[in-house]
Amino acid sequence: NAGVTQTPKFQVLKTGQSMTLQCAQDMNHEYMSWYRQDPGMGLRLIHYSVGAGITDQGEVPNGYNVSRSTTEDFPLRLLSAAPSQTSVYFCASNRGTAGSEAFFGQGTRLTVV
Amino acid sequence: ELKVEQNPLFLSMQEGKNYTIYCNYSTTSDRLYWYRQDPGKSLESLFVLLSNGAVKQEGRLMASLDTKARLSTLHITAAVHDLSATYFCAVEPMKTSYDKVIFGPGTSLSVIP
Repeated sequence: NAGVTQTPKFQVLKTGQSMTLQCAQDMNHEYMSWYRQDPGMGLRLIHYSVGAGITDQGEVPNGYNVSRSTTEDFPLRLLSAAPSQTSVYFCASNRGTAGSEAFFGQGTRLTVV
Repeated sequence: ELKVEQNPLFLSMQEGKNYTIYCNYSTTSDRLYWYRQDPGKSLESLFVLLSNGAVKQEGRLMASLDTKARLSTLHITAAVHDLSATYFCAVEPMKTSYDKVIFGPGTSLSVIP
């Protein structure tokens, strides 16, 4: 039972490069989201999706794009990486009903130099 | 705008002692989550609290929710080293379906012999 799978686990980018963080879930969850975790700031919501074809912005969306073409996949794109995007990124999914807990991927540690 | 605060942010406690972590939030909600994160790992769900007065217990941890005070507590009884981790509360705004859950900054707990 894979749950939520994120790739890659680690990545180093140069400023200005682009990349896509992959996220897939096999629980048929409607709701998926991306967070970034920075020391002392908890998790901040970047983008989220309430179903295939529907996405919306969270607290810190600038510099990131998402799409949701299938229920299973929710990739996060960094268009032009900046050092401020150095962080640990978590993808999460849940059933999408009120009061349902989130299941998190293992995280991607991204460093932008 | 929903804000979630936790205190303390750092907690060092001796094995066998009791302590409480507090989670305050700024807007009406009756949906609150507690998660645990071990160092370098992902987050896992501990408790889901869905009504005023809700109390959940698992082992040495007990969580409660007071929606009138906009306060949740995570009580640790007779701490053991295995409880060392970072604990996050997360609050879901009052809507009819899952929406932008906001996380607190986390409480880093260290249990020492």
